[in-house]
Amino acid sequence: AQKVTQAQTEISVVEKEDVTLDCVYETRDTTYYLFWYKQPPSGELVFLIRRNSFDEQNEISGRYSWNFQKSTSSFNFTITASQVVDSAVYFCALSGNSGGYQKVTFGTGTKLQVIP
Amino acid sequence: DTAVSQTPKYLVTQMGNDKSIKCEQNLGHDTMYWYKQDSKKFLKIMFSYNNKELIINETVPNRFSPKSPDKAHLNLHINSLELGDSAVYFCASSPLRGGDIETQYFGPGTRLLVL
Repeated sequence: AQKVTQAQTEISVVEKEDVTLDCVYETRDTTYYLFWYKQPPSGELVFLIRRNSFDEQNEISGRYSWNFQKSTSSFNFTITASQVVDSAVYFCALSGNSGGYQKVTFGTGTKLQVIP
Repeated sequence: DTAVSQTPKYLVTQMGNDKSIKCEQNLGHDTMYWYKQDSKKFLKIMFSYNNKELIINETVPNRFSPKSPDKAHLNLHINSLELGDSAVYFCASSPLRGGDIETQYFGPGTRLLVL
């Protein structure tokens, strides 16, 4: 069985602050994928990043960065110099093997509010 | 170009009715999914199809029946709608090969309200 835990239900920060969204996962698979998705108030789900279990390199994309640590089963997401447009619900997800096929399990989401 | 599209976007209906939601993807992906997102934003997979074959069927009432006429389409039919079916339903698709393997791309969602 696989599980994704996003312990932070809601976070509020003031614009320009940095914020880190935590994600801890559980899986017995040796090969798996981790994802982050953004769901803005408009409701669509926007893909942000995918990481496979063999690639522990951290990634930076503009103000976004991701820290993948297999030793702690974590895949945390940091937004630097947050902006109001970053306000959204962010989901961490894990894709692992289920009966020979990949199945994605989503965390419960972290609602980020950036206050101007 | 819309990658994953769903119709309708909004659906308001009475309890007991039967309704369908359609999904189409033009990404050439092999696998398609239906998710339900409840009022607390919890996303749960309902079904997954690979090349028209059902591969994942979570514990979903049999009032829900997916149909995949071809690889690019996955429709969801719901019989005898209940109040608890009110939610946002997302369709998604993913490739089994290539640079973005296993990445799921989501449709815009269908907001279903059962009165």
